[in-house]
Amino acid sequence: DSGVTQTPKHLITATGQRVTLRCSPRSGDLSVYWYQQSLDQGLQFLIQYYNGEERAKGNILERFSAQQFPDLHSELNLSSLELGDSALYFCASSVDGRSNSPLHFGNGTRLTVT
Amino acid sequence: AQSVTQLGSHVSVSEGALVLLRCNYSSSVPPYLFWYVQYPNQGLQLLLKYTSAATLVKGINGFEAEFKKSETSFHLTKPSAHMSDAAEYFCAVTWNSGYSTLTFGKGTMLLVSP
Repeated sequence: DSGVTQTPKHLITATGQRVTLRCSPRSGDLSVYWYQQSLDQGLQFLIQYYNGEERAKGNILERFSAQQFPDLHSELNLSSLELGDSALYFCASSVDGRSNSPLHFGNGTRLTVT
Repeated sequence: AQSVTQLGSHVSVSEGALVLLRCNYSSSVPPYLFWYVQYPNQGLQLLLKYTSAATLVKGINGFEAEFKKSETSFHLTKPSAHMSDAAEYFCAVTWNSGYSTLTFGKGTMLLVSP
């Protein structure tokens, strides 16, 4: 058990809809990362937060947004969903947000857009 | 720009045989290198990491990796495969201890047959 909790585990929704994915980092970790995993694109970095502030941004679409709250949990909002957004979304956390610190991954949220 | 290449999307071995998963990196500065493992329906889990302290790095579950600067490689090995090693393995690279993000390879699925 990594200590990172993601909810929900599965999400099925229709095109054009909006969903929110939630992540609670491992106790003591200040930084949260979001990744998208799909068969064709592999593991893609979306965005990183450290202690409530955005730290780095990767291949995140404008339709997607995220935030980290004062209690350090994070939410990833996906809107105007398209079929191609179907993927496994992972949250990871690290103690200090530095690139050489190990990441601890949750078990992911599987999003299916129909 | 940093990048990482994993040779072979699938590797098949027999139980008890040597496991060799290949990873080559591209980085303009000394890298930090990681191997992560993903078991079915789970998030990624850190196997080991290289941070320049020693070229041979030992990880969990009997895995180890050797950093070879001249070959820009960081191959993962295990002397004797076990059925429980069947999983997907990801090599990842970053190039400093600051806030640069981790770049993952596309992964290698290890299949272990009895």
